[in-house]
Amino acid sequence: QKEVEQNSGPLSVPEGAIASLNCTYSDRGSQSFFWYRQYSGKSPELIMFIYSNGDKEDGRFTAQLNKASQYVSLLIRDSQPSDSATYLCAVMKGFQKLVFGTGTRLLVSP
Amino acid sequence: DGGITQSPKYLFRKEGQNVTLSCEQNLNHDAMYWYRQDPGQGLRLIYYSQIVNDFQKGDIAEGYSVSREKKESFPLTVTSAQKNPTAFYLCASRTHGADGYTFGSGTRLTVV
Repeated sequence: QKEVEQNSGPLSVPEGAIASLNCTYSDRGSQSFFWYRQYSGKSPELIMFIYSNGDKEDGRFTAQLNKASQYVSLLIRDSQPSDSATYLCAVMKGFQKLVFGTGTRLLVSP
Repeated sequence: DGGITQSPKYLFRKEGQNVTLSCEQNLNHDAMYWYRQDPGQGLRLIYYSQIVNDFQKGDIAEGYSVSREKKESFPLTVTSAQKNPTAFYLCASRTHGADGYTFGSGTRLTVV
């Protein structure tokens, strides 16, 4: 079992819709969770981080964490074509290093 | 501007050759990391360093070596022992207790 699992996609949504990206993790003791966006050929950039169960909102982005189910999600409201990218879920391991999923490719069509 | 600088952006290696990828940060971050990314794959940890003169192996350290002689610098050497080095290499840093990493722009290494 991979430590961090994501559906590779692509996830296709029309412009203006809500995109929902999901991630599961195997280490029940994990405390910190991150979402990165990566455009093709570029390095990842941090979008959101979440530590506590529940929702955390930042602009059009909402991160959701459910530790009991070992599940993290990212919602993107009012999706734009510029949101088309690969979204990487990452979990902090041992307070020292991030373990990444393989990413979900999101395609937002005009 | 504070940030992480990776160089070169593109690098070509001949079979049997060692090459060194540079990573410099002026963020005064304590920890630095090297990841490798293959097409359609996530990031896999090669080496990381929490403090100067100390570093630990990640999940795929074989065929790679690092040094951390200065806080600002964490170069990665890809040795001839690394049989499949063609990949996108990413350097990252963070300060202890910070949220997430800051990434450099990456080096794309190709074996020719």
